[in-house]
Amino acid sequence: ETGVTQSPTHLIKTRGQQVTLRCSSQSGHNTVSWYQQALGQGPQFIFQYYREEENGRGNFPPRFSGLQFPNYSSELNVNALELDDSALYLCASSGWGDQETQYFGPGTRLLVL
Amino acid sequence: RKEVEQDPGPFNVPEGATVAFNCTYSNSASQSFFWYRQDCRKEPKLLMSVYSSGNEDGRFTAQLNRASQYISLLIRDSKLSDSATYLCVVILYNFNKFYFGSGTKLNVKP
Repeated sequence: ETGVTQSPTHLIKTRGQQVTLRCSSQSGHNTVSWYQQALGQGPQFIFQYYREEENGRGNFPPRFSGLQFPNYSSELNVNALELDDSALYLCASSGWGDQETQYFGPGTRLLVL
Repeated sequence: RKEVEQDPGPFNVPEGATVAFNCTYSNSASQSFFWYRQDCRKEPKLLMSVYSSGNEDGRFTAQLNRASQYISLLIRDSKLSDSATYLCVVILYNFNKFYFGSGTKLNVKP
């Protein structure tokens, strides 16, 4: 196990609603990245947080936003949910001097109806 | 055009076979490369980094060809437990972006 935890494990929402997903990074890791993985696809990079600030972003609209807290845990918020937001949301943490080596949590499966 | 492209497979091989996957990337400024393994309905797990000179970890060999902009993964003496989806990852540091391929599925049969 990587020590990265995510909650909840599963979630069902309806179109237009808002959702918050949570991630606790592995002990000693200060960087958290979020990914969206649709069925049959590879993970798509949403953004990365380092020292509580967004440190890089993929091609996702502003309704995808995040936070990182002083303990390095992180939240992903998605507003105005769309059907296409249904996916596995993965959080990955990485540490000092080795930000490119990422350790993934088990993910949150989001279904938007 | 996608940043990273992989043959989705599936590659169906018998135990003991040697199998190779390629992954092409579009941005010549890409700086770091990795292979991850993902089992069905599980999270991706780091398999190995890919170095310019090529590197080996047991039965696995990874290579990078910057001129042709592709990375490869070779698996020798395939085991049943190697059955999984293999994802390549390309990191673009200038923009701090991480790009995963869509994965290549490997089925190792008895």
